[in-house]
Amino acid sequence: GQNIDQPTEMTATEGAIVQINCTYQTSGFNGLFWYQQHAGEAPTFLSYNVLDGLEEKGRFSSFLSRSKGYSYLLLKELQMKDSASYLCAVSDINAGKSTFGDGTTLTVKP
Amino acid sequence: DGGITQSPKYLFRKEGQNVTLSCEQNLNHDAMYWYRQDPGQGLRLIYYSQIVNDFQKGDIAEGYSVSREKKESFPLTVTSAQKNPTAFYLCASSPGTALEQYFGPGTRLTVT
Repeated sequence: GQNIDQPTEMTATEGAIVQINCTYQTSGFNGLFWYQQHAGEAPTFLSYNVLDGLEEKGRFSSFLSRSKGYSYLLLKELQMKDSASYLCAVSDINAGKSTFGDGTTLTVKP
Repeated sequence: DGGITQSPKYLFRKEGQNVTLSCEQNLNHDAMYWYRQDPGQGLRLIYYSQIVNDFQKGDIAEGYSVSREKKESFPLTVTSAQKNPTAFYLCASSPGTALEQYFGPGTRLTVT
């Protein structure tokens, strides 16, 4: 099975940088995904990591260490619209599906 | 425009009735998924299908049923056997097994 842990809540200030961590345990790792979900809406895909290292996409970056079972999502130059839940999901090739963490609710304050 | 649609957005039913939620995609994706989300919680997998005419149970399949007769469509039936059916239901599709998923807008089901 899979076990995914993320902090439940985080608060940050507009213009700042925030790092959301995700740790996981899985037998057949096939990639890690980050999704953003605004309140009352569906999740949207942000990033995908399958190899170790940092993937940068504009203000958002995602890092993966497979040996440590660890990933983080880095959000720079925070904006009020970044207030949302951020979901970490791990793909298992043996199971043929992904499992989602419970999400981290980020609140950006002025 | 390619995308994934769910209907209706809001659905109200009486206890004891079966209800079917629609999910259609025109992204030509092989894999489709159904999730349930309760307030303040993450996504829990109900059923998934990697190919037409085949599907597998997820983590919380009891009280639900699905079919995958066409590549584009993956309807979910919430049966009267589901003890707590009131929830936000999300359908997703992906280009292949265990790849990034694209979600529909969701259906909020309320059973009273």
